[in-house]
Amino acid sequence: DAGVTQSPTHLIKTRGQQVTLRCSPKSGHDTVSWYQQALGQGPQFIFQYYEEEERQRGNFPDRFSGHQFPNYSSELNVNALLLGDSALYLCASSKPNNEQFFGPGTRLTVL
Amino acid sequence: GEDVEQSLFLSVREGDSSVINCTYTDSSSTYLYWYKQEPGAGLQLLTYIFSNMDMKQDQRLTVLLNKKDKHLSLRIADTQTGDSAIYFCAERYGGATNKLIFGTGTLLAVQP
Repeated sequence: DAGVTQSPTHLIKTRGQQVTLRCSPKSGHDTVSWYQQALGQGPQFIFQYYEEEERQRGNFPDRFSGHQFPNYSSELNVNALLLGDSALYLCASSKPNNEQFFGPGTRLTVL
Repeated sequence: GEDVEQSLFLSVREGDSSVINCTYTDSSSTYLYWYKQEPGAGLQLLTYIFSNMDMKQDQRLTVLLNKKDKHLSLRIADTQTGDSAIYFCAERYGGATNKLIFGTGTLLAVQP
């Protein structure tokens, strides 16, 4: 049984560009949450998707958007990248209101 | 407000017990979690405790919860060098989702 998978593992972009990160949830899970973990910090909640809709959003600007597909996989899009967007982006999947299991993350570097 | 606090660093000798502490703010939290993160890796769920419990034991791990003081601790018995990692506590924020609020993490260094 594959756990949560994310792609790519690493990504380098320049300021102003756009990026798309992908996540496949653990088998049997239908809820996907995204977190941003800056260096030396704990993860910060970006948003959560359930039934292809954004269910809750953290304190992140509209440059951060997402999508969930019918197979429960999800994408995180970030527009107009800033240096401060450099971080490890973590995807977590769960059944509704159950414990979350995290993927290995995508390391985004913005130059 | 949403704020979870942890001490930054803990150093122990192999075979000793480690105790990592955490304070949280949301009294409506239903579950509290401990995650482990090794260098360059994602988060591994270690254990969790329901808010109406005082203690939970899981092999070498013991979680203690003091709801009155909003204080959570993780005790690792017989700490091994493989336990060296960053440990995060997290509270499940009250509300419709299971959004997690994380602490800043405690770096556990185990000396051989």
